[in-house]
Amino acid sequence: DAKTTQPPSMDCAEGRAANLPCNHSTISGNEYVYWYRQIHSQGPQYIIHGLKNNETNEMASLIITEDRKSSTLILPHATLRDTAVYYCIVRVKPKYRDDKIIFGKGTRLHILP
Amino acid sequence: DGGITQSPKYLFRKEGQNVTLSCEQNLNHDAMYWYRQDPGQGLRLIYYSQIVNDFQKGDIAEGYSVSREKKESFPLTVTSAQKNPTAFYLCATQDTLPMNTEAFFGQGTRLTVV
Repeated sequence: DAKTTQPPSMDCAEGRAANLPCNHSTISGNEYVYWYRQIHSQGPQYIIHGLKNNETNEMASLIITEDRKSSTLILPHATLRDTAVYYCIVRVKPKYRDDKIIFGKGTRLHILP
Repeated sequence: DGGITQSPKYLFRKEGQNVTLSCEQNLNHDAMYWYRQDPGQGLRLIYYSQIVNDFQKGDIAEGYSVSREKKESFPLTVTSAQKNPTAFYLCATQDTLPMNTEAFFGQGTRLTVV
């Protein structure tokens, strides 16, 4: 089962910041939080990841709470092209043969013109 | 051009036939994964492999088989035992170490069984 919980859908006005929450209350100490997005009928695309500090790249910012039980992906100025399903994933601690990536159902983000 | 190649993009088969989906990568990644996606649903893990000649079942392996004879290739066979094979199939790769690397996905194969 996925180790994360996300709202099934969200709306955001074009040009505004989109804030996508993710709950991962059972995260272990050395597990990272990853975000991917999937535009319709394409393969998922990596966005950003983090361990405990906030992270920012050219696509988005990732805010992780101090207790690491939840995080928020921020798209600072959403455009229509950001309409996609966003997946929050906790990377399972790598052990040989047991390491796998489990996706939940994600959040369907609609950017409204 | 580096990356993951899934072929073909669209595939049609008659019910009862086995079909093999190709996934090739030139990223030199050790780990490879197969996922299935149904309309409006998330990704479900079918099989994964961390190293050549070794692979593990995911959550929905029944009716599927894989092989990992080469690092670059991880073909998925959808057998006639798979009850509902029509779906979008995605292949992914990842370096196993260090831990904080991302997965890369192919563009998928849409399989329709008629």
